[in-house]
Amino acid sequence: GQQLNQSPQSMFIQEGEDVSMNCTSSSIFNTWLWYKQDPGEGPVLLIALYKAGELTSNGRLTAQFGITRKDSFLNISASIPSDVGIYFCAGLNNAGNMLTFGGGTRLMVKP
Amino acid sequence: EAEVAQSPRYKITEKSQAVAFWCDPISGHATLYWYRQILGQGPELLVQFQDESVVDDSQLPKDRFSAERLKGVDSTLKIQPAELGDSAMYLCASSRDRVTDTQYFGPGTRLTVL
Repeated sequence: GQQLNQSPQSMFIQEGEDVSMNCTSSSIFNTWLWYKQDPGEGPVLLIALYKAGELTSNGRLTAQFGITRKDSFLNISASIPSDVGIYFCAGLNNAGNMLTFGGGTRLMVKP
Repeated sequence: EAEVAQSPRYKITEKSQAVAFWCDPISGHATLYWYRQILGQGPELLVQFQDESVVDDSQLPKDRFSAERLKGVDSTLKIQPAELGDSAMYLCASSRDRVTDTQYFGPGTRLTVL
């Protein structure tokens, strides 16, 4: 089946630093989504990307849909303690009925 | 803001027992999904409903898992009998329709099988 490789698996950074994480796939996706999950909670949608090459921002978050449609990255600028959590990328297949998740990036921010 | 509701939030059971989880999607959302998330991994789709019909249950272990959405609104996921390997977070999500890509997740049910 489809697989998404998400990296890094974990990051431990200082408050105020910028963060970058990415996802790559062997398959093409029509849509890329980025979610954040806090411990014991469900994932919350951060950013949705619909077109190859698209660059979208949501506050301090910026994400891009790769030109090849096989990759995406998420940047967080000026990290703060509440950014702590697990970030998941997810790709929606061409039929629009299957969402495949990456393995997650665990972000830890030191005040 | 409308949310996906799930209950219970936590469930501890012994192996071979039956368990059931409930999900109430966002009002008006035709598509409902059940995912299983093993600790340290991303969610994996178990079953997808469009209204009351199952449109994809290819990843659902049908010998012990069942899911229903009788009236096309809320849904129940059942495991009988539970096994140790079923310990995981069970997440419900909903979207307006199958083509819509935005899936909204509930808080999940954390299942521990002893």
